[in-house]
Amino acid sequence: GENVEQHPSTLSVQEGDSAVIKCTYSDSASNYFPWYKQELGKRPQLIIDIRSNVGEKKDQRIAVTLNKTAKHFSLHITETQPEDSAVYFCAASNAGNQFYFGTGTSLTVIP
Amino acid sequence: DTEVTQTPKHLVMGMTNKKSLKCEQHMGHRAMYWYKQKAKKPPELMFVYSYEKLSINESVPSRFSPECPNSSLLNLHLHALQPEDSALYLCASSQGGDNGYTFGSGTRLTVV
Repeated sequence: GENVEQHPSTLSVQEGDSAVIKCTYSDSASNYFPWYKQELGKRPQLIIDIRSNVGEKKDQRIAVTLNKTAKHFSLHITETQPEDSAVYFCAASNAGNQFYFGTGTSLTVIP
Repeated sequence: DTEVTQTPKHLVMGMTNKKSLKCEQHMGHRAMYWYKQKAKKPPELMFVYSYEKLSINESVPSRFSPECPNSSLLNLHLHALQPEDSALYLCASSQGGDNGYTFGSGTRLTVV
C-alpha cells in the first residue's frame, strides 16, 4: 500500500514568516494530494489539493507544489497569521476510495 | 447542503453498553467512510462504503459494526468496547476518485 511521510512534526514560525511542510509518498500510482487543516477539537478541513497533472497550485497565501518524479509534495503558507496555528495533514490517493494520511505537522505561529 | 452531520457529538458509554453513531450527507457523494482519530495523530481508516456496499474493512474488531442503510446514511454500531477505543470518530464522504473528503465534526467517544 501507499506510505506517506510528513516533516516536520512540529513547526514554529514568527507571524509574517513563511511555513513549509513536506510530504513524500511511495506509490507512483497516487494522483491526488489534498492537504487538511485541523484546529484543536475540530474536524479536518480541506484547504488545498493538487492533482498529478499539475505541478503547482496557489490559493491566496497557500500554495502546494508537486514533484512526481521525486514523489514529494509540499505545502507553503506565506505571511503566516496566528489563526494558521493548527495541525496540518497531507494525504495521497490513487483515485480509489482510500486516502493515506501523513503523520501531521503541528504549526504554531508566534505573534 | 455541503455538510456531513454526525450525531451525537459526545458519547460516554460503559464497556457493556450498546450504542450507535450516526452520519448523514446530502451531497450525493457515493463513498462514505469511518475514521478513528486519537489525539495528535492522523485519522485511521476503519471502513469504506462505496455505493452503499462495504468495500474496505481495515481489520477492525467485530465490536465495531458498520451499516449503510441508504446512500445518505452511515451508522457505526458499538458493542462491548474497551477503554482504548476512546477516541474521536470521524465520518467522511467523497465523490471518489480525485476529490477530497468532507469530514463531519466527529463524535468524541469515551469508554468507561
